[in-house]
Amino acid sequence: QKEVEQDPGPLSVPEGAIVSLNCTYSNSAFQYFMWYRQYSRKGPELLMYTYSSGNKEDGRFTAQVDKSSKYISLFIRDSQPSDSATYLCAMSAGNDYKLSFGAGTTVTVRA
Amino acid sequence: NAGVMQNPRHLVRRRGQEARLRCSPMKGHSHVYWYRQLPEEGLKFMVYLQKENIIDESGMPKERFSAEFPKEGPSILRIQQVVRGDSAAYFCASSLDPDPSYGYTFGSGTRLTVV
Repeated sequence: QKEVEQDPGPLSVPEGAIVSLNCTYSNSAFQYFMWYRQYSRKGPELLMYTYSSGNKEDGRFTAQVDKSSKYISLFIRDSQPSDSATYLCAMSAGNDYKLSFGAGTTVTVRA
Repeated sequence: NAGVMQNPRHLVRRRGQEARLRCSPMKGHSHVYWYRQLPEEGLKFMVYLQKENIIDESGMPKERFSAEFPKEGPSILRIQQVVRGDSAAYFCASSLDPDPSYGYTFGSGTRLTVV
């Protein structure tokens, strides 16, 4: 079993739709949870960062962490074609520098 | 601020050759991390370096792979006697502090193809 599971998709939605992404994990020591966006042929860029359980909102993006279920989510509201990318979840234990990544979900937003 | 610079962007090597990947961290960042991304898989941690020191190389294969971050110049990931299975995208990230809450900045990667 992988430490972090993420459905690779692909996911295709019309412009303006809500995109829902999620990851599950097995390591209960994970406390830091991140979402990265990766455009084709580019490096990952940090989108959202959450510590422990709860919700965090930043513009059109909302990240949710449910540690009891070992489940994290990212929602993108009013999706735009420019949101088309691969979204990677990542997490770490305590202040451990080693990030464990999901395989990524490829999202296409159709104009 | 040029961000994290990796070169070359693409590298083709024949089996048995050496591959040398370079990473210049963001200005002011002294912590460098290398990750490998295989097709359909997430990024896997390889090594964490500070200037002139290897802090953690637990994700590096024991043979053929080495990394350095000299006092002057970029960090280098070296793969000796490459094999087809080494074909992957190699990403470097840098940070001000190893605590992930400070945020890591990734480069655009080097795509290694072994033929």
